[in-house]
Amino acid sequence: GAVVSQHPSRVICKSGTSVKIECRSLDFQATTMFWYRQFPKKSLMLMATSNEGSKATYEQGVEKDKFLINHASLTLSTLTVTSAHPEDSSFYICSARDGGQEYNEQFFGPGTRLTVL
Amino acid sequence: GQNIDQPTEMTATEGAIVQINCTYQTSGFNGLFWYQQHAGEAPTFLSYNVLDGLEEKGRFSSFLSRSKGYSYLLLKELQMKDSASYLCAVVDSNYQLIWGAGTKLIIKP
Repeated sequence: GAVVSQHPSRVICKSGTSVKIECRSLDFQATTMFWYRQFPKKSLMLMATSNEGSKATYEQGVEKDKFLINHASLTLSTLTVTSAHPEDSSFYICSARDGGQEYNEQFFGPGTRLTVL
Repeated sequence: GQNIDQPTEMTATEGAIVQINCTYQTSGFNGLFWYQQHAGEAPTFLSYNVLDGLEEKGRFSSFLSRSKGYSYLLLKELQMKDSASYLCAVVDSNYQLIWGAGTKLIIKP
């Protein structure tokens, strides 16, 4: 099946610093990538949808200036949490949709656990 | 608004069968996914239904009734490793995934 990698898997940072998370589709071209956030014992919360070469579409309540998304190529999207604060601590998961698939399955990366001290 | 309902938690015995239900009200329908998610890990794909009926895949089966806005995931011959959360997600008319909150399945020996 299609493989999506995410890096780093775990990051601990000080309050006020910025953290970049990379999401890569390893064996397919991802026309669309999604960024999710998940709190403990809660379901996935879609933050934004990004299409290669265009600006990301953010969900209501998600600050675009705080969560910067770049989808520069068909295999790479990045999420930068700017000026991170403890309340940004969460599990961040990316997923990618294979443009060649006949249906809309999303392939998930392994997730990044962010802890802001 | 859009809504996906599934039980918060279920408990079953190793070797038994369990059915996890999902009901949905969404703006349009372009398919329903079931994902498995172990604690601290990303979701993994289990099944996809877009037509009514039962799809069987090994120990797991998924059923869909579009007229009733209803799906279930059936797990047979339960194993301890099946302890996980099971997420129901519907593709709406904008081809966006609408996620349920997940059902935590606890398997007891």
